[in-house]
Amino acid sequence: QVLLVQSEPEVKEPGASVKISCKASGYSFTTYYAHWVRQAPGQGLEWMGKINPSGGVTTYAQQFRGRVTITRDTSTRRVYMELTSLRSEDTAVYYCAREGAEIIPTFGVTPRGFDFWGQGTLVTVSS
Amino acid sequence: DIVMTQSPDSLAVSLGERATITCKSSQSVLHSSSNKNYLAWYQQRPGQPPKLLIYWASTRESGVPDRFSGSGSGTDFTLTISSLQAEDVAVYYCQQYYSSPCNFGQGTKLEIK
Repeated sequence: QVLLVQSEPEVKEPGASVKISCKASGYSFTTYYAHWVRQAPGQGLEWMGKINPSGGVTTYAQQFRGRVTITRDTSTRRVYMELTSLRSEDTAVYYCAREGAEIIPTFGVTPRGFDFWGQGTLVTVSS
Repeated sequence: DIVMTQSPDSLAVSLGERATITCKSSQSVLHSSSNKNYLAWYQQRPGQPPKLLIYWASTRESGVPDRFSGSGSGTDFTLTISSLQAEDVAVYYCQQYYSSPCNFGQGTKLEIK
């Protein structure tokens, strides 16, 4: 079965960096885009960026550009999200998610939302 | 960027009654080549990651009860729960995946009246 297992919670001081991992299993790792989404305490879902595990091409949300880097290691089937220059507002649960896809006859592969999610990793930024 | 706006922000419905949540996108999310709306609905229970309920605006994910349905096209969408059950208490989000950033709506908190 498809599983996304994330790394353990982190506590960081302001100004530090954090790198979270997401290990995928149960499917062809390089076939599906991986996304990162975060959720501050009591708040909604905020999309951060995505990676194509096949070629490593990334796209980031404007508000995180320059601070976030998403990478992957195909040998270990892991996707990583590194966030630098942490501030208290970055305290949140960070999720990885797989972008599902289906083949539509006469058209081809079509995305179908984020069908599997990791369990979430709490990052606390505090001095 | 495509902005997603849900209404209402919160909703209280009696058990067995219908619940309706709407979602509006600032631009069309209908992909003309595939004729699919790149719009998904998620359910998030406390302490859990989101769960995909509906994709392509109206296609139910495998295993999702048929009391959940989605409708709409272009910029206006609706999630309907036909007969509310206690386990449906959650926050519901719409999301467009037509273009990056793949923005979510602000969420609708659904409670029992």
